[in-house]
Amino acid sequence: DAGITQSPRHKVTETGTPVTLRCHQTENHRYMYWYRQDPGHGLRLIHYSYGVKDTDKGEVSDGYSVSRSKTEDFLLTLESATSSQTSVYFCAISVGAGTDTQYFGPGTRLTVL
Amino acid sequence: KNQVEQSPQSLIILEGKNCTLQCNYTVSPFSNLRWYKQDTGRGPVSLTIMTFSENTKSNGRYTATLDADTKQSSLHITASQLSDSASYICVVRAEKKSSGDKLTFGTGTRLAVRP
Repeated sequence: DAGITQSPRHKVTETGTPVTLRCHQTENHRYMYWYRQDPGHGLRLIHYSYGVKDTDKGEVSDGYSVSRSKTEDFLLTLESATSSQTSVYFCAISVGAGTDTQYFGPGTRLTVL
Repeated sequence: KNQVEQSPQSLIILEGKNCTLQCNYTVSPFSNLRWYKQDTGRGPVSLTIMTFSENTKSNGRYTATLDADTKQSSLHITASQLSDSASYICVVRAEKKSSGDKLTFGTGTRLAVRP
């Protein structure tokens, strides 16, 4: 998994509770991404980061926030989880933008009851 | 709206047989197209990348083709193995001048290879 770890790997939580997912990389790559994957949908970009403290929104960013205080860590926070945020979340990294390959982490399965 | 459509949604083949997966896209302006393999419970892994000027690229038993005029791509798997059982995802990148990728993902074709 290209030196990418995600934690936790599985989480069950209740509606209205805050949740933070962590992505950690060991390669010092500049770009990091958070995606969600749902049945019937392709992977959809939530947020991405192009450097420490530099982040931007993706196509499905509502209800999510991110932070990147260190090159190696990219955190995804659900401030108040809803059942519609039940999904598998993938973190990805790339050396640069453009044609560079994105390498994906193993995923976090989140269930919001 | 940029879209990537894949067919079939699912496919079952016998071990040793060949198969072809299809990808049609409406992404513009086109930059490149990738095929990813995603094993159950794992993240996607890149198989091939093709740019506008390339029409065929191979990676072992995987051969991808691209027709930029008709906006179609295919992934051909030769002499399938049980380990080929996975979802195959077509991903198309649009040219974007600002930082960050603009990728459109297909929903994937789920391939099952039976002994």
